[in-house]
Amino acid sequence: EPEVTQTPSHQVTQMGQEVILRCVPISNHLYFYWYRQILGQKVEFLVSFYNNEISEKSEIFDDQFSVERPDGSNFTLKIRSTKLEDSAMYFCASRARESSGEKLFFGSGTQLSVL
Amino acid sequence: RKEVEQDPGPFNVPEGATVAFNCTYSNSASQSFFWYRQDCRKEPKLLMSVYSSGNEDGRFTAQLNRASQYISLLIRDSKLSDSATYLCVVNNPGNTPLVFGKGTRLSVIA
Repeated sequence: EPEVTQTPSHQVTQMGQEVILRCVPISNHLYFYWYRQILGQKVEFLVSFYNNEISEKSEIFDDQFSVERPDGSNFTLKIRSTKLEDSAMYFCASRARESSGEKLFFGSGTQLSVL
Repeated sequence: RKEVEQDPGPFNVPEGATVAFNCTYSNSASQSFFWYRQDCRKEPKLLMSVYSSGNEDGRFTAQLNRASQYISLLIRDSKLSDSATYLCVVNNPGNTPLVFGKGTRLSVIA
């Protein structure tokens, strides 16, 4: 089965530092997402991306967050100045079509720890 | 009211038992419904979609009651490998993101 790949698997950073989380969605997919999951909490939507622009974002996705698809294959999430509460597992996901019943493929996640 | 609510568990059951999980959702316009499985510190993986007529996949049966805004998952003949957190997931109309419940944790014990 095709896979969404994420790097790194773990990232440790100091508060206030910038981090970039990387994702390679499945090659023929057009819709890309970032979700996060704080330990013990539910999976929360951050942002969706289609046609090289953000299509929707949650209130979590404030000015400290940005996404980019720099080269047609990578899809990145940048956190400009990390806070302790940004510590979470970050999942990238992609799907081929907009249809609500379309399967969403998740990457294995990046565990971000902000110290 | 939370969009998707689930009993957090944990459900501790012996091998071979039948276990049922319930989920309620708040948006009556929700269109698509899913059960995902998540192992500890891993990504969610689609277990099955839930259809209005109910659907079965081996030992797993999912049902949807739109009038009550209620979704269920039944697991028969539980295996040790079924131990995981089961996430109820709802898709609202339009190109909107999936909404996840907090999950119900299942431990199947030998």
